[in-house]
Amino acid sequence: DAKTTQPPSMDCAEGRAANLPCNHSTISGNEYVYWYRQIHSQGPQYIIHGLKNNETNEMASLIITEDRKSSTLILPHATLRDTAVYYCIVRVGSPNFGNEKLTFGTGTRLTIIP
Amino acid sequence: DVKVTQSSRYLVKRTGEKVFLECVQDMDHENMFWYRQDPGLGLRLIYFSYDVKMKEKGDIPEGYSVSREKKERFSLILESASTNQTSMYLCASSWETDQPQHFGDGTRLSIL
Repeated sequence: DAKTTQPPSMDCAEGRAANLPCNHSTISGNEYVYWYRQIHSQGPQYIIHGLKNNETNEMASLIITEDRKSSTLILPHATLRDTAVYYCIVRVGSPNFGNEKLTFGTGTRLTIIP
Repeated sequence: DVKVTQSSRYLVKRTGEKVFLECVQDMDHENMFWYRQDPGLGLRLIYFSYDVKMKEKGDIPEGYSVSREKKERFSLILESASTNQTSMYLCASSWETDQPQHFGDGTRLSIL
């Protein structure tokens, strides 16, 4: 799986949009971009994933650049409960043994400021 | 919503005890996983299962075993607990191995 690079920490004001960047310059054509987050003392939570088109769900939006070398996770109206460590990972998009494990980097510690 | 439930949030056991960690998912997922998470080491896969009664070793299976007798339940067993198995244990499930994994809230296990 391709490596990703994220800023170690970010702050965002409550109610504003939180934009979390991720670089994955060595991503392969069959690798998806996934985002998870982990709130303190809880298990990781899946947020969203995408291949090349922008994606949106009830939690967030994922914007992937045209060359796919970077992406941005957008939390449109951040709340205090969004304070967490956010992990960007890339994974091969086909089921085969050797693809099963998730590997998190150090992620971005997002703090929502009241 | 996918629900993955781990039997205990906190557990304290003694060295040499046999420890059982239970995980149940309610989404009829084929795949289930056990990870441990330690500061500075990130997530490490212990075992996973892609079907009932099937299991595959992850990166750190030593000292652990698993059981999957029913599709919805995946158990992690510490055969003889040791202090270096003190950790946060996370269970996850997914439809396919390349699909999103959904996690439980974790069991923080302390071995004294």
